[in-house]
Amino acid sequence: TQLLEQSPQFLSIQEGENLTVYCNSSSVFSSLQWYRQEPGEGPVLLVTVVTGGEVKKLKRLTFQFGDARKDSSLHITAAQPGDTGLYLCAGEFYNTDKLIFGTGTRLQVFP
Amino acid sequence: DTEVTQTPKHLVMGMTNKKSLKCEQHMGHRAMYWYKQKAKKPPELMFVYSYEKLSINESVPSRFSPECPNSSLLNLHLHALQPEDSALYLCASSHRDSSNQPQHFGDGTRLSIL
Repeated sequence: TQLLEQSPQFLSIQEGENLTVYCNSSSVFSSLQWYRQEPGEGPVLLVTVVTGGEVKKLKRLTFQFGDARKDSSLHITAAQPGDTGLYLCAGEFYNTDKLIFGTGTRLQVFP
Repeated sequence: DTEVTQTPKHLVMGMTNKKSLKCEQHMGHRAMYWYKQKAKKPPELMFVYSYEKLSINESVPSRFSPECPNSSLLNLHLHALQPEDSALYLCASSHRDSSNQPQHFGDGTRLSIL
């Protein structure tokens, strides 16, 4: 059973467009992390959100944690080819060492 | 450059071979993890070590044997693997002094079983 569903699964856009990736679950998480993974490399942490309703910005990337701590979104403004990669959300349960990864969103940005 | 170092980067082995994957971090992290990632899929947790003790085994077959010799090192011993075990094996580490600590990943070992 996949606890964290991401949508869309694939996204192919032109440079300069905006996009939003969603990460949804029926479970409550103590925190949610977003990673980006490029071919041949491990996932690289982008952000950790902890508080329900929290919004964090990282340059052109905006992350939001749902009020109920069950979902999150990643919005990219004016996408660039360097944003290309696999975007993964990952939720941590309370008082565990476990990080559950979402199904992933593969983004391709064309010049 | 990642602060979690994994060796080797690539490994090809037969089903009767014995090999080991190595992972090293010097960030003072006290939790270390092994993940398996198949092509076009997210990482799947295999093992968690917390303060050098195995705290989680996600029902991984015994042909995979983890070892944590000290707080900086994590090994994964492989024996009698199957072709379906071919995948990218990722190591990660994190602080364990509080919750909600992010995990830092290495670049993985790409394993191919012949």
